Amino acid sequence: EAEVAQSPRYKITEKSQAVAFWCDPISGHATLYWYRQILGQGPELLVQFQDESVVDDSQLPKDRFSAERLKGVDSTLKIQPAELGDSAMYLCASSLGTVQETQYFGPGTRLLVL
Amino acid sequence: AQKVTQAQTEISVVEKEDVTLDCVYETRDTTYYLFWYKQPPSGELVFLIRRNSFDEQNEISGRYSWNFQKSTSSFNFTITASQVVDSAVYFCALTPRSGNTGKLIFGQGTTLQVKP
Repeated sequence: EAEVAQSPRYKITEKSQAVAFWCDPISGHATLYWYRQILGQGPELLVQFQDESVVDDSQLPKDRFSAERLKGVDSTLKIQPAELGDSAMYLCASSLGTVQETQYFGPGTRLLVL
Repeated sequence: AQKVTQAQTEISVVEKEDVTLDCVYETRDTTYYLFWYKQPPSGELVFLIRRNSFDEQNEISGRYSWNFQKSTSSFNFTITASQVVDSAVYFCALTPRSGNTGKLIFGQGTTLQVKP
């Protein structure tokens, strides 16, 4: 069964350091999403890609966060510098198309910033 | 504005009891989709169901059933004869139709604990 892959699963870093997360969507899925989930809350969208183009990054803190999907397949989310408040679960999801298609999620990366 | 409210923060039941998780949503869109996801302790969000705003028929899948009522903006989820493996956080989510974003708007989640 096709799955969304993410790595690493866990990351501990010190504040002011740079961190990067990787996501490989389900093969053939054109749309890729990055969500952030703070403990005890629902996930919130950070950025949405359609192929290699950004569709929605309105909630991405662009002063420290960046995301890319250069070849329209896998994607990297970077934080530089990390802050204590960035501690959260970072979830990647993919869907076949765009609006209203079912999104399938990866296992997530748990980030702890010390 | 779009919003999803899951008023029940935590629910605890004994195995084999039936349990209903409530979901109330707000949207100005006339067309939208509603979803339920399950998040076990491992952290991955598992898709359970997608419901079109045009289709108000209730749906049953094994021990799971969903009641969609557009008149009250609710999309409730019932687990019949609950099992310990049902213990997880359950999220209701909404995708608005406006624009080209497929952003899911999640509720706060309901933690379900099923005790043996």
